Amino acid sequence: DQQVKQNSPSLSVQEGRISILNCDYTNSMFDYFLWYKKYPAEGPTFLISISSIKDKNEDGRFTVFLNKSAKHLSLHIVPSQPGDSAVYFCAASAGDTGNQFYFGTGTSLTVIP
Amino acid sequence: DVKVTQSSRYLVKRTGEKVFLECVQDMDHENMFWYRQDPGLGLRLIYFSYDVKMKEKGDIPEGYSVSREKKERFSLILESASTNQTSMYLCASANLGAVAKNIQYFGAGTRLSVL
Repeated sequence: DQQVKQNSPSLSVQEGRISILNCDYTNSMFDYFLWYKKYPAEGPTFLISISSIKDKNEDGRFTVFLNKSAKHLSLHIVPSQPGDSAVYFCAASAGDTGNQFYFGTGTSLTVIP
Repeated sequence: DVKVTQSSRYLVKRTGEKVFLECVQDMDHENMFWYRQDPGLGLRLIYFSYDVKMKEKGDIPEGYSVSREKKERFSLILESASTNQTSMYLCASANLGAVAKNIQYFGAGTRLSVL
C-alpha cells in the first residue's frame, strides 16, 4: 500500500506564478520529509527537506509546508520558471528505519513561458 | 560534488538472462540503495545496504539480489530476467553523518528492457 501519495500526476503553471505541489502520507511515524526534482534522463536531485519539528522551511524560491495533523505537505515554488519544469517526488522516512525512504508517485510540473 | 555512477544508461536483455547492474559512488557513503521507477508507481525500494557485505530487503526484493563487496560499489543482480522487470533502475547513496543525514544522491539511472 502506498504510504506516500501525490494525487496530481501533472500540473501546468504560467511563468512567474506560484506552483503548489501536494503530498499526503499515511504513516504517523514519518518524521522527515524531502522533495526531489527529476529531469528526463537524469536521476532525482535533492531540492528541500523538512523535519517534523517544523511546519515550514524555505530555500530561495522553494518553500515546503508541513501539516502533521492532516499528514500533508506541500511544495511552493514562487515565482515559477520554465527551468522548474520537471517531475517532483516527495519522500518520507521514519527515524527508526534509518535511511529507508518512501517515495510518492511524482507530479510532472510544466511551467509555460 | 557527490557522484553516483551507474555503469549503463540503457540495457536490452532476453528473458532468462542473468543481469548485473553496477553502481559506484565516490563520497565514501555508508548507505547505498537500489530503486525501480515505474509510471504511476513512483520509486520503489528493492534493496539497500548500510555497510560492506550487509544488505536489507526493501519493498520489492523478489527476483533480485545484491552484492556489496566494497564500500563504493553496490550491484543489483537479476538472476533470471523477466519481462516484468523492464523498468528504470536508480541507484542512490547517502551518508550516515549528522549533517544532511537523510539526503540521498542518485545516479542517472539504467533503463532496462527485457524482451
